[in-house]
Amino acid sequence: NAGVIQTPRHKVTGKGQEATLWCEPISGHSAVFWYRQTIVQGLEFLTYFRNQAPIDDSGMPKERFSAQMPNQSHSTLKIQSTQPQDSAVYLCASSLERGSETLYFGSGTRLTVL
Amino acid sequence: GDQVEQSPSALSLHEGTGSALRCNFTTTMRAVQWFQQNSRGSLINLFYLASGTKENGRLKSTFNSKESYSTLHIRDAQLEDSGTYFCAAEANYGNEKITFGAGTKLTIKP
Repeated sequence: NAGVIQTPRHKVTGKGQEATLWCEPISGHSAVFWYRQTIVQGLEFLTYFRNQAPIDDSGMPKERFSAQMPNQSHSTLKIQSTQPQDSAVYLCASSLERGSETLYFGSGTRLTVL
Repeated sequence: GDQVEQSPSALSLHEGTGSALRCNFTTTMRAVQWFQQNSRGSLINLFYLASGTKENGRLKSTFNSKESYSTLHIRDAQLEDSGTYFCAAEANYGNEKITFGAGTKLTIKP
């Protein structure tokens, strides 16, 4: 079991470019969570999927952020027209099932927007 | 508003001593988790509790859902315990979102 895999580990983009972050949950886990971590804001919830269906995206900045989970083996977080304030570590976590929501985190993607 | 209030924000301990970290919740939570974030940034799950107390080695955690708090006790602290500790909880009204506290930065001194 390789754990939750996030790619890339680091991404540098120019202002206005698009960034796509990838997450592969632990095999057999039914839920995928996305969080963003900065020194100022701490760990912020972005969005959450259960059995590939979006459940709660209340933390997503509406205009430029989107997340998909096209199959049970991966989820993507896409940021369009990146801005310097999007710079953060983006963390993905998976959990097994409802009633057993122990979160297992990936190593994160450090996004730097110049 | 903020549902998970974590304290203290920073804590310094000498090796071999112990202390407690605390999270207070402003709404009823159905479960709490505790994590350690190490120097490489990895978040490691320490405990998941729906109620009661769990112990693992030098760590012990309690979750009191009625009084809306959880604690993480560390005893006989070691240098490798340094890091930032987070609690995270899911509200009881069922939208499944898991909210994190602001963290406690723990420094263990020789």
